[in-house]
Amino acid sequence: KQEVTQIPAALSVPEGENLVLNCSFTDSAIYNLQWFRQDPGKGLTSLLLIQSSQREQTSGRLNASLDKSSGRSTLYIAASQPGDSATYLCAVRPGGSYIPTFGRGTSLIVHP
Amino acid sequence: ETGVTQTPRHLVMGMTNKKSLKCEQHLGHNAMYWYKQSAKKPLELMFVYNFKEQTENNSVPSRFSPECPNSSHLFLHLHTLQPEDSALYLCASSPRGPSYNEQFFGPGTRLTVL
Repeated sequence: KQEVTQIPAALSVPEGENLVLNCSFTDSAIYNLQWFRQDPGKGLTSLLLIQSSQREQTSGRLNASLDKSSGRSTLYIAASQPGDSATYLCAVRPGGSYIPTFGRGTSLIVHP
Repeated sequence: ETGVTQTPRHLVMGMTNKKSLKCEQHLGHNAMYWYKQSAKKPLELMFVYNFKEQTENNSVPSRFSPECPNSSHLFLHLHTLQPEDSALYLCASSPRGPSYNEQFFGPGTRLTVL
């Protein structure tokens, strides 16, 4: 059974810092891995999707990497801003199934 | 309204009540999803509908009964729930399904079972 772990569970940093959020998974037979953002009282917003054949994806200040063999992905946030404060979720979709497994998320606070 | 809307936003019910959650998407999508997000467990996919047909049931107890009358509307009928069913229930849609690459989420219904 796939298990997804996100470390750290919570993070508080001053504005301007570069951040790394970690996601690890136990079964490397994945189809893709996706990073989401969830704001309080709101649903999820997709940030980046990495297919199993890819090593990284970039969007603006966000960069996500994938190392399937070691079962790890990182989300790098450059020059963090207070507006980046949210919970960041990692989800792994296995090969041969449409049912993703989510991590419990990293709660990020960026203070001015 | 635009995007994915969910009503009600908050719901408190007793274990013997029957209630329904409603989701509506104004995006012209063909697939819709129900997710459960509880305090004790990670986000879980519950059901997937594609062109009004259920394509996935992630071993959800029968006290949760989904209904998809058309591609724009999705309901989750609740009956004889347990306190551990208290959670945030999220609805999502995608242009085609069951594709997880392009899902758009609603704000969720916060359910409390007494």
